Amino acid sequence: GDSVTQKQGQVTLSEDDFLFINCTYSTTTYPTLLWYVQYLGQGPQLLLKVTTANNKGISRGFEATYDKGTTSFHLQKASVQESDSAVYFCALVRGGSNAKLTFGKGTKLSVKS
Amino acid sequence: NAGVIQTPRHKVTGKGQEATLWCEPISGHSAVFWYRQTIVQGLEFLTYFRNQAPIDDSGMPKERFSAQMPNQSHSTLKIQSTQPQDSAVYLCASSLDWNGPYEQYFGPGTRLTVL
Repeated sequence: GDSVTQKQGQVTLSEDDFLFINCTYSTTTYPTLLWYVQYLGQGPQLLLKVTTANNKGISRGFEATYDKGTTSFHLQKASVQESDSAVYFCALVRGGSNAKLTFGKGTKLSVKS
Repeated sequence: NAGVIQTPRHKVTGKGQEATLWCEPISGHSAVFWYRQTIVQGLEFLTYFRNQAPIDDSGMPKERFSAQMPNQSHSTLKIQSTQPQDSAVYLCASSLDWNGPYEQYFGPGTRLTVL
């Protein structure tokens, strides 16, 4: 079955630090790769998605890139703010008739001012 | 647009009791998904519906769990004879279309605690 590995369970940064979160995936087809963010007490919300066609996505200062050769995808932000503190999940979806999301375990980001 | 509505937000049951969780998807969305979130297992897919029809229930525990979507405005997840290991946040999500753009909008979740 599909799987997503997200090893960084917790990251603590100071404001204006650089953020980098890495995920690897395994699937039998060409997936769409996504990043979700979950704030305390809320459900996850889509932050970015990347397809095999575009290899990169940008939103709200975050950038997601995808490396098909190493089956990995990354989330980065040049300068984090305290308001970015949340849990970030990578996920994949196969597409077509298979619309379910397979999530990584999540990375809790704490940004200190 | 009120977003995905889930009720109740918190539910406490005794071991062996039944729990029914409700989800109201965003109006006009054709796909509804259920996920379960725990500290240990993370976010796990349970089941999903497309135009009210069950499509994939591969994540549902075969016993005690069932899901229905009797009309386009709500879905229910029922857990019979709840056990402490069922304690989790149950998340419902909906998307405009099952075949992309894959943006699933999540509700705030129902936190189920089984004593």
